[in-house]
Amino acid sequence: EVQLVESGGGLVQPGGSLRLSCAASGFTFSRYWMHWVRQAPGKGLVWVSRIKTDGTDTIYADSVKGRFTISRDNAKNALYLQLNSLRAEDTAVYYCSRETSYSGSYFSDSWGQGTLVTVSS
Amino acid sequence: DIQMTQSPSSLSASVGDRVTITCRASQGISNSLAWYQQKPGKAPKLLLYGASRLESGVPSRFSGSGSGTDYTLTISSLQPEDFATYHCQQYYSTTVTFGGGTKVEIK
Repeated sequence: EVQLVESGGGLVQPGGSLRLSCAASGFTFSRYWMHWVRQAPGKGLVWVSRIKTDGTDTIYADSVKGRFTISRDNAKNALYLQLNSLRAEDTAVYYCSRETSYSGSYFSDSWGQGTLVTVSS
Repeated sequence: DIQMTQSPSSLSASVGDRVTITCRASQGISNSLAWYQQKPGKAPKLLLYGASRLESGVPSRFSGSGSGTDYTLTISSLQPEDFATYHCQQYYSTTVTFGGGTKVEIK
């Protein structure tokens, strides 16, 4: 069974930093592109970032470019998101998701339960 | 970025009703569209991809259609477990984008 478990969320002051983790199990992690998607309270889903199987290719939403960094450790079956220069508008539940294995398709077929990041003074 | 406009933002329906949700893209997306269901406090669940392909294990009362810029999710006979929020997502571009979501509530 595919499992994705996020951790690392919490309360942080504006301008602060946080590192989110996503522990993967039940599949060959190194074979899948991975994503981070966030959802502000009561709002819709917003894609944040995507990373290639070996970590050599990454892409970001304009709203987080230069502030967030996605990375992975295939030996540990782990995905990460480093959040820097946090703003109130970054407050959201952050989900990690596994991209489908269908070539050229970027939708997610499995999602974690999410971790809440709250940016407030 | 490709903008996705989903409508309605919410609807009230009864068990057994036929429900239709639409998603319009700001440009053609060649059926690169997925639909997700999300229940409160839970992760999204993939329902359909390729605009009309049902994900394994998803009931056949869910169906999708459309082409070009306009797509539709239909629930043929609404069941109690279907009350949730539905999201569309385009994956035509690598910077995927989601619609604003449609909350399906009990009438």
